[in-house]
Amino acid sequence: SQQGEEDPQALSIQEGENATMNCSYKTSINNLQWYRQNSGRGLVHLILIRSNEREKHSGRLRVTLDTSKKSSSLLITASRAADTASYFCATDEGRGSTLGRLYFGRGTQLTVWP
Amino acid sequence: DVKVTQSSRYLVKRTGEKVFLECVQDMDHENMFWYRQDPGLGLRLIYFSYDVKMKEKGDIPEGYSVSREKKERFSLILESASTNQTSMYLCASSHLRTDGSKSNQPQHFGDGTRLSIL
Repeated sequence: SQQGEEDPQALSIQEGENATMNCSYKTSINNLQWYRQNSGRGLVHLILIRSNEREKHSGRLRVTLDTSKKSSSLLITASRAADTASYFCATDEGRGSTLGRLYFGRGTQLTVWP
Repeated sequence: DVKVTQSSRYLVKRTGEKVFLECVQDMDHENMFWYRQDPGLGLRLIYFSYDVKMKEKGDIPEGYSVSREKKERFSLILESASTNQTSMYLCASSHLRTDGSKSNQPQHFGDGTRLSIL
């Protein structure tokens, strides 16, 4: 299966600190996406990075992609209590992708303490 | 903003009942998806659809069926509910990738239906 795997499974930090989450996957991809899920809610798309990109920024989010290592990282800078959520990476299948389908990891639970 | 609406936030049913979960999106998306989410297992794809009346099995289709009679609506059906189908069910939609792009588009999710089968 192409399912991504996030690491760590859980992360607990203080407000103001940076949070880094990692994602590894198995086969070639066209893009990798990160999502956030607040407790009891649906997932919200955060950022998409294409396979020919190495780094992308959006506000306090920084995503890197290393296709040679089949891995990505999500950095949240200057974290806030409101960043507390689960974070998921999702990938497609690269060549021969099943139309529209994404493969989600099991997520990293981030807790930011005030 | 894209809105994906699931008909119920919480639902309680009994074993053996036929259960319908409804999902509606308002952005003319071609793709629609049904996932279930369980602690420690992440999101698992049940079924998806890339067009009206089209459906594709995901990773765990057993015990489920789907219906897509209109582009904006995608229904998940539990034919005969069992206790192991107690879960959080998430619906999502996305645009089909455009010609020339091989990137699958971001998915937009509803807030989920927490289904309990007693």
